[in-house]
Amino acid sequence: NAGVTQTPKFRILKIGQSMTLQCTQDMNHNYMYWYRQDPGMGLKLIYYSVGAGITDKGEVPNGYNVSRSTTEDFPLRLELAAPSQTSVYFCASRGNFIQGGNQPQHFGDGTRLSIL
Amino acid sequence: GNSVTQMEGPVTLSEEAFLTINCTYTATGYPSLFWYVQYPGEGLQLLLKATKADDKGSNKGFEATYRKETTSFHLEKGSVQVSDSAVYFCALTGTASKLTFGTGTRLQVTL
Repeated sequence: NAGVTQTPKFRILKIGQSMTLQCTQDMNHNYMYWYRQDPGMGLKLIYYSVGAGITDKGEVPNGYNVSRSTTEDFPLRLELAAPSQTSVYFCASRGNFIQGGNQPQHFGDGTRLSIL
Repeated sequence: GNSVTQMEGPVTLSEEAFLTINCTYTATGYPSLFWYVQYPGEGLQLLLKATKADDKGSNKGFEATYRKETTSFHLEKGSVQVSDSAVYFCALTGTASKLTFGTGTRLQVTL
């Protein structure tokens, strides 16, 4: 059981380039989330999804886009990379409320992104 | 809105010392509370959770009790090990099960 898988693990981008961070989960979870973690800080929610075809903004959505065409996949897109987007990005998923109430989120190992 | 406040780190302890990491929260309703741990170079892992007032979460020797009267969820361990060195995050759930995290507390345990 792979859980939450993120690719790539590391990436360096030039300012203005675009890229997609991939996230897939094999637990049939409806809820999925994207966070960024800046040095010495907690995690900030970028976008989340409560099911296929449904996405919504979190605390810090500017400069990012997401899509959720399937239950398994929740890619995060950076269209015009900026130095302020240098961070570690974590994807997470969570089981449906009906499966047991306040279930914890399961995290991937992260993608370390540097914008130069 | 919801918020979580953790004590600042780093916390440096000798092996077998007692650990307390303070966490207080502000939230509407009745959130669930979590402690996550992040080892170097890895993602976050759930350490323990509590879903209602007076619940005690426990795992791997760590404990935390959901105190609604003091809006706290302090993490404790009676005897820390070098392998416990990590960053610990307190968090609570909001709508759509979105997590609100504290800023994290780095724990360093030395021999």
